[in-house]
Amino acid sequence: AQKVTQAQTEISVVEKEDVTLDCVYETRDTTYYLFWYKQPPSGELVFLIRRNSFDEQNEISGRYSWNFQKSTSSFNFTITASQVVDSAVYFCALSELGGYQKVTFGTGTKLQVIP
Amino acid sequence: DSGVTQTPKHLITATGQRVTLRCSPRSGDLSVYWYQQSLDQGLQFLIQYYNGEERAKGNILERFSAQQFPDLHSELNLSSLELGDSALYFCASSDPGGRTQYFGPGTRLLVL
Repeated sequence: AQKVTQAQTEISVVEKEDVTLDCVYETRDTTYYLFWYKQPPSGELVFLIRRNSFDEQNEISGRYSWNFQKSTSSFNFTITASQVVDSAVYFCALSELGGYQKVTFGTGTKLQVIP
Repeated sequence: DSGVTQTPKHLITATGQRVTLRCSPRSGDLSVYWYQQSLDQGLQFLIQYYNGEERAKGNILERFSAQQFPDLHSELNLSSLELGDSALYFCASSDPGGRTQYFGPGTRLLVL
């Protein structure tokens, strides 16, 4: 069975600090997909990234970067120079199927960026 | 605005009742996904439809059912409602290439 662990329940940082959100996953499959989602205080869900297990290249998108390490079953998310608008709950997720089906979510990490 | 619409935004009902949640995907998106977010269970994938066909099923109760219509909108039917069904229900669609997923604003269901 697949499992996603986000050990950090809440993190607080001061604006402009860098912050890394940890995600550790368990799966027996060799092919799987990993995801990150953001849920701001307003409540909507926002898709951030999808990465398949064959692509271990790190990804950078503006201030966001993701570090995928198969050896440690981790898919960590770093926000550089955090801003107040980054305050949200961030969910890591895993799917053993293609696409977005049968996703298992972690419990989320609440990030508070203090001005 | 993601382009995915969900109605109603809020719903208050009583135990034992039946409700229907509606979702319209972004124009051109064939896939619709339903999720439930509750305090007890967290975020859970319920079901996916692709161009009218059920594609994948997650932790969806037998009391719940869904369908996708020819115009690609989808409905999630929840029956014999229990207090524990109170949750935020999200719908999402994905672009034809599957690169990005778009979420609706959610329907907040309160069962009293």
